[in-house]
Amino acid sequence: DSGVTQTPKHLITATGQRVTLRCSPRSGDLSVYWYQQSLDQGLQFLIQYYNGEERAKGNILERFSAQQFPDLHSELNLSSLELGDSALYFCASSVDSQNQPQHFGDGTRLSIL
Amino acid sequence: DAKTTQPNSMESNEEEPVHLPCNHSTISGTDYIHWYRQLPSQGPEYVIHGLTSNVNNRMASLAIAEDRKSSTLILHRATLRDAAVYYCILRDSFQGAQKLVFGQGTRLTINP
Repeated sequence: DSGVTQTPKHLITATGQRVTLRCSPRSGDLSVYWYQQSLDQGLQFLIQYYNGEERAKGNILERFSAQQFPDLHSELNLSSLELGDSALYFCASSVDSQNQPQHFGDGTRLSIL
Repeated sequence: DAKTTQPNSMESNEEEPVHLPCNHSTISGTDYIHWYRQLPSQGPEYVIHGLTSNVNNRMASLAIAEDRKSSTLILHRATLRDAAVYYCILRDSFQGAQKLVFGQGTRLTINP
């Protein structure tokens, strides 16, 4: 058990819809990272938050947004969903942003019908 | 981001040692070498990391070449539970953004 909790585990929705994925980091971890894993693109970094502030952005679409709340949990919002957004979305957390190991949750599997 | 090269797949037998190679010829002096693995239906899991010296922990050992252009992850006694995709990743210790850049990794199969 990594200590990182992601909900829901599975999400099935239709094109054009909007969903919110939630992540609770390990106790004491200030950094939260979001990654997307699809069959054709592999594991790709989306965005990082550190203590409530955005720290880095990766290949995150404009239709996607995230935030980290004062209690350090994070949410990834995906809107105007397309078939290609079907993927596993992982959240990871670390103590801080300085080269510490990242601890991953078990992911949310998003299926767009 | 500095790149790494790993074999697509490897196979080994249960209770035997496994040596997983990684080439990183363009590594910079401030890059740490990290290894993660991803078991089926799970998120990636941190295994080990190092800078210059060989490292050991309860999961594995990391052997780093003297010129740092390659490294080897060593599983001393493989079990069926070690079947996973293993990722070798370089992380710059001085970069503000600490994202992990995953390649294709090595898919390790363990035979009973």
